[in-house]
Amino acid sequence: AQSVTQLGSHVSVSEGALVLLRCNYSSSVPPYLFWYVQYPNQGLQLLLKYTTGATLVKGINGFEAEFKKSETSFHLTKPSAHMSDAAEYFCAVSAPTGRRALTFGSGTRLQVQP
Amino acid sequence: GAGVSQSPSNKVTEKGKDVELRCDPISGHTALYWYRQSLGQGLEFLIYFQGNSAPDKSGLPSDRFSAERTGGSVSTLTIQRTQQEDSAVYLCASSLEAGGSTDTQYFGPGTRLTVL
Repeated sequence: AQSVTQLGSHVSVSEGALVLLRCNYSSSVPPYLFWYVQYPNQGLQLLLKYTTGATLVKGINGFEAEFKKSETSFHLTKPSAHMSDAAEYFCAVSAPTGRRALTFGSGTRLQVQP
Repeated sequence: GAGVSQSPSNKVTEKGKDVELRCDPISGHTALYWYRQSLGQGLEFLIYFQGNSAPDKSGLPSDRFSAERTGGSVSTLTIQRTQQEDSAVYLCASSLEAGGSTDTQYFGPGTRLTVL
């Protein structure tokens, strides 16, 4: 079984400040890991994913995440927040074999203050 | 179109009525997924199609929920005798092929279902 925990349902940062959204997972096998972003009244858009190889993954819009197996974490960061980053962010896992469905965390709403 | 499309975008229905939600995946994508997003339960997997068959229906919450996919393309999610707890946003996603490091699920905009 897999599960995802996102610490902090709401995060507020100032424009230009570091963004850090936390994600921890539980999985019986090394999972694939994803971050999706959802803007109001829209579907989910993939920011980045980790499957194998380099543990630091770069995504769109300046976001990156690092897979840390020892900490079972996949935190999302961006060095400098922009107003357009305000949205809801979801961390998700899937198994590399077998069940294909994504298991999502509960989401973190990012607010960017001017 | 280039992305996953869903219709209708909004659906309001009365308790006890049946509803059908449609998903058009990205052309050529063999895998199709339905998820539900609700305030109380977050994002939940419902069902997964590979081609026209559904090897994983484990997320369907009750026998009032069913889905089919025809021609390896369009999928319809049907909810019979709707209940108020069915109110949610129903999201569809498709991917080129299920599994493997290249598999990425692309999501549609969703159908917001409100059961009165």
